[in-house]
Order: sequence, then C-alpha cells, then structure tokens
Amino acid sequence: KAGVTQTPRYLIKTRGQQVTLSCSPISGHRSVSWYQQTPGQGLQFLFEYFSETQRNKGNFPGRFSGRQFSNSRSEMNVSTLELGDSALYLCASSAAGTYNEQFFGPGTRLTVL
Amino acid sequence: AQKVTQAQTEISVVEKEDVTLDCVYETRDTTYYLFWYKQPPSGELVFLIRRNSFDEQNEISGRYSWNFQKSTSSFNFTITASQVVDSAVYFCALMGGAGSYQLTFGKGTKLSVIP
Repeated sequence: KAGVTQTPRYLIKTRGQQVTLSCSPISGHRSVSWYQQTPGQGLQFLFEYFSETQRNKGNFPGRFSGRQFSNSRSEMNVSTLELGDSALYLCASSAAGTYNEQFFGPGTRLTVL
Repeated sequence: AQKVTQAQTEISVVEKEDVTLDCVYETRDTTYYLFWYKQPPSGELVFLIRRNSFDEQNEISGRYSWNFQKSTSSFNFTITASQVVDSAVYFCALMGGAGSYQLTFGKGTKLSVIP
C-alpha cells in the first residue's frame, strides 16, 4: 500500500499571500488530520476530517481552513500568510474507526518571507 | 485539557547502550490512548506503538520495549542495545477517548547514538 502523500513538499510564499496544501491518505483510510510543527511550539493539531466532515479543530485562527473530498483526499488552506506560519505541515490518515493510530506523510515545508 | 511531558530534551548514548525515554501524561478521560512516534532526520513521523488505557501490560518488540504505568501516568520507552539508526527525535502522544480524535504531542526527545 502506498503511504500518505503530500504536495507540494516545499513552498515559499510572501506575507499576505494564501497557500493550499494537499494530502492523499492511505487507500481505504477515511480520517485525515493536519498538524503544524514548529521549533517553538512543537507539533500542534490543526483539524481532523472524516467522511468530508470536520470533526475536530485545534486552536488556530480562522485563516487556517481545510476540507475533505469524497475520495478522502484533503486540502488545507492558509490565507493572509504571516511570518509565523512558516512550519512543517504534516498530514496523517487513519483507518475507519475512531482511535486508531495515525500514519503521517512526509510533510510540506512552508516558508513565509 | 490534555498534556504530555517529555522532560528529556536531548539524550546522547554510545552505541550498544540501553536508553529510556520518559513520558508523563495528564488527562481527565477515563479512556485514552498513548502513542510513540519516531521522527528521523528525513522528517516523516513513523508510528511505533499504540496503547489503550485499559491495557497496562508491557510490550516488547525486538529491541524496543514500553512500560505503561497508570498509577504514575507514565508511558516510558526503552531501546536496548542502541544503534546509530536509532538516532532521531521521539515523540510521545496522547489521544483522549471522548471523541477528540486528535493527538496531543510532547515536545519530543532528541536521541543521538554515537558510534
């Protein structure tokens, strides 16, 4: 089985721009979660989708949004980028069911200049 | 609120030494799940183990072993006979059982195994 894939792997944007990151889960997995990893704050949960519905949301401003498609692929969008949004954005998928282990993709490294 | 504490920021050991990574958690949920992940320099988080709060049995997988003690809210990870390939950042994480579906991570422990 192919693992979780994320595109693009690297991205450079300037302040004020917006960005869309994409995640394809492991085949058959219906839950997709997003995390932000920074040196200062560590790994922080952004949101989780299951069957196209957002079930959980972390403590991030409304500039961070996401969605999930019927094929379980997910996108996250960050509008009006700030310097502090520079981070590694990780996507994870898990099988149907609720508290299963999450399998992570390689991440998208976003740099905001 | 849930919290995971990994007090050891960095650890260095010489190859073949045993090393234990500590993890202490806080949760009000009676049902919860604990995880360990490994993040090598490549950056991808690799799943190692999942444990539910009802199962306090220790687990061994090759050179890896885990000690879950509910009484002290700890879920420690031991690597026996460490190898250079074990060098990575290790994260302990907690998922509550009350419909949260999100992982709360500790800050991680960077393990360096010196040949």
